[in-house]
Amino acid sequence: EDKVVQSPLSLVVHEGDTVTLNCSYEVTNFRSLLWYKQEKKAPTFLFMLTSSGIEKKSGRLSSILDKKELFSILNITATQTGDSAVYLCAVGSGNTGKLIFGQGTTLQVKP
Amino acid sequence: DTAVSQTPKYLVTQMGNDKSIKCEQNLGHDTMYWYKQDSKKFLKIMFSYNNKELIINETVPNRFSPKSPDKAHLNLHINSLELGDSAVYFCASSPPRQGSTNEKLFFGSGTQLSVL
Repeated sequence: EDKVVQSPLSLVVHEGDTVTLNCSYEVTNFRSLLWYKQEKKAPTFLFMLTSSGIEKKSGRLSSILDKKELFSILNITATQTGDSAVYLCAVGSGNTGKLIFGQGTTLQVKP
Repeated sequence: DTAVSQTPKYLVTQMGNDKSIKCEQNLGHDTMYWYKQDSKKFLKIMFSYNNKELIINETVPNRFSPKSPDKAHLNLHINSLELGDSAVYFCASSPPRQGSTNEKLFFGSGTQLSVL
């Protein structure tokens, strides 16, 4: 059965810290891996990764995919309180646009 | 000018009732989805429609029936509501394929369903 596992499940840090969130997967017919940020309501898109070893970067956030070892990491440097959210990892499987989500990592950044 | 909008935002109802959630997107996307998020924040796909055609139908009780009158709308009707149906239901849409993938989803703000 396809699965996506994120770790840690929750994390508490202080402003200015750097965090690394992990996502491992076992999915047949892998197409892409995506990261989303969910604050109070709708998940919002962060990154989509399809190729191994190519880092995607947006401000203080960056992500990379390892298709051999079947995992991805999301790094956040110089964290701010506004980074507090649930971070969701999802893997696209097959050609129907279906996403399989992990259980999320809840990040709390304290002032 | 909301991209993916769903109504209502909150729905509180009794067991056994029938309810509907509506979803509309103005992004011009061809594909729309319904996802269910449980209390542990676990998002799971329920249905997907592409241009009004059913593409994905996961193992969902047949009390749940999606309807897509046109490619901008995907509604979800739920019959005989049960306690276990309590969750947040998210509508989403995705653009036409770019290259080989179209998994980039744009989510609505969710409908919090509470069955009492």
